[in-house]
Amino acid sequence: GENVEQHPSTLSVQEGDSAVIKCTYSDSASNYFPWYKQELGKGPQLIIDIRSNVGEKKDQRIAVTLNKTAKHFSLHITETQPEDSAVYFCAASVPSFGAGTTVTVRA
Amino acid sequence: DAGVIQSPRHEVTEMGQEVTLRCKPISGHNSLFWYRQTMMRGLELLIYFNNNVPIDDSGMPEDRFSAKMPNASFSTLKIQPSEPRDSAVYFCASSLERRGVQPQHFGDGTRLSIL
Repeated sequence: GENVEQHPSTLSVQEGDSAVIKCTYSDSASNYFPWYKQELGKGPQLIIDIRSNVGEKKDQRIAVTLNKTAKHFSLHITETQPEDSAVYFCAASVPSFGAGTTVTVRA
Repeated sequence: DAGVIQSPRHEVTEMGQEVTLRCKPISGHNSLFWYRQTMMRGLELLIYFNNNVPIDDSGMPEDRFSAKMPNASFSTLKIQPSEPRDSAVYFCASSLERRGVQPQHFGDGTRLSIL
């Protein structure tokens, strides 16, 4: 089955700086890579996704890049704000999820 | 649109009791997933239904766990008998079409505590 590894497990950034989370996957047949944000007491919510025929996708301050050759993909959050503080999960051809990254944005 | 609805939001019960968790998926979604989330193990897929039929239950930890989907708008996850190590947050999620290529929509979970 698919194995997804996610790094780092925790990330603390100053407000306004960028945050980058990286994931690798094992199954070359995977072709769908969503990212989820989980706030305290809530379920994970989809924030952006990318499919294997696209190398990069952007939605306002959030972008995702995909390198199928290397089997890794990344989430980039620019101009971070306190409301970006949450746990972020990557996934490859759901439901194979990474272990999560706790992002803390310091005011 | 209403999202995925789970009930109860919190459940506290004593070891040995039967626990039933409920889920109403988004209307029109034909795939449903049950997950368990713990600090130690993260998000674990327990079982996946497609068109009300269980497709993959390899994540169900033991025979004490069972899941049903009697119709397209309702699913249950049952633990009998419950044990303290079953304490976790249980999520239900639904999606359009088949597993792996469509985003999942999660409910807000049931926080289960077994004393």
